[in-house]
Amino acid sequence: DSGVTQTPKHLITATGQRVTLRCSPRSGDLSVYWYQQSLDQGLQFLIQYYNGEERAKGNILERFSAQQFPDLHSELNLSSLELGDSALYFCASSVGGRVGHNEQFFGPGTRLTVL
Amino acid sequence: SQQGEEDPQALSIQEGENATMNCSYKTSINNLQWYRQNSGRGLVHLILIRSNEREKHSGRLRVTLDTSKKSSSLLITASRAADTASYFCATDLQGGSEKLVFGKGTKLTVNP
Repeated sequence: DSGVTQTPKHLITATGQRVTLRCSPRSGDLSVYWYQQSLDQGLQFLIQYYNGEERAKGNILERFSAQQFPDLHSELNLSSLELGDSALYFCASSVGGRVGHNEQFFGPGTRLTVL
Repeated sequence: SQQGEEDPQALSIQEGENATMNCSYKTSINNLQWYRQNSGRGLVHLILIRSNEREKHSGRLRVTLDTSKKSSSLLITASRAADTASYFCATDLQGGSEKLVFGKGTKLTVNP
C-alpha cells in the first residue's frame, strides 16, 4: 500500500459526459501528479500540482482540468468524454516538487471506460 | 515520442535465473528511475540513479547507468515468481519541462 488513495476504482460512462477523479496523496507529500495509461500510448504524464499550485504540464487535453485543494487532495476533471479517453488514470505523490529528484508513490488507479 | 525505450519488450525466464532489462534514451538526463507495475495496478518505485552515478544496488536489484551511451540496465538476480511484472524506466530530462517520461516497459514473466 503506497498511502495514495484514488476514487473511484472503476468508472463507466458514456461519450460526451463529464467525470471527476479524486486523489489523496500520502501524508506529508506536497506534490500530486496525474498520469494516463493506455495500451497504445503507454504511461503519459498529464499534470503536476505542488502545494496547491500548478507546477508542470504534460500531454493534458484542453477537455481535461485538475486542481489541488488546500488539504492537498486533488481532482482530475474529464469532460466531453470520447471513446479514446478510456484508460487507467493514476495519481502519484511525492514529498518535493522537483520532478525526477523524488520517488513518486502511485495510487491504485481509476479505470475509466467510455462507451 | 517516448524518451526511454525498454528492451526487450517481453522476457520469460525460470525462477532462480537472472533477468536483465535495458533502457535507452535520447537526450541528456538529470536522473533515471525504474518502476515496477503488477498487472493493472499502480507503479512501485524501485530505484533512482542520478546522472553522476554509474551503479546502484538495492537488495536483488542492480541498476547501471551509462550516460555516454544514453542507456541504463536493470538486473534482477535470483528471480522469483513474484517478480513477474512490467518494468519501466523513467527519465527526468535535463533542461526540459519538468516531467518524468516513461518508456513502454518490459513485461517480465518468471516461471516457477
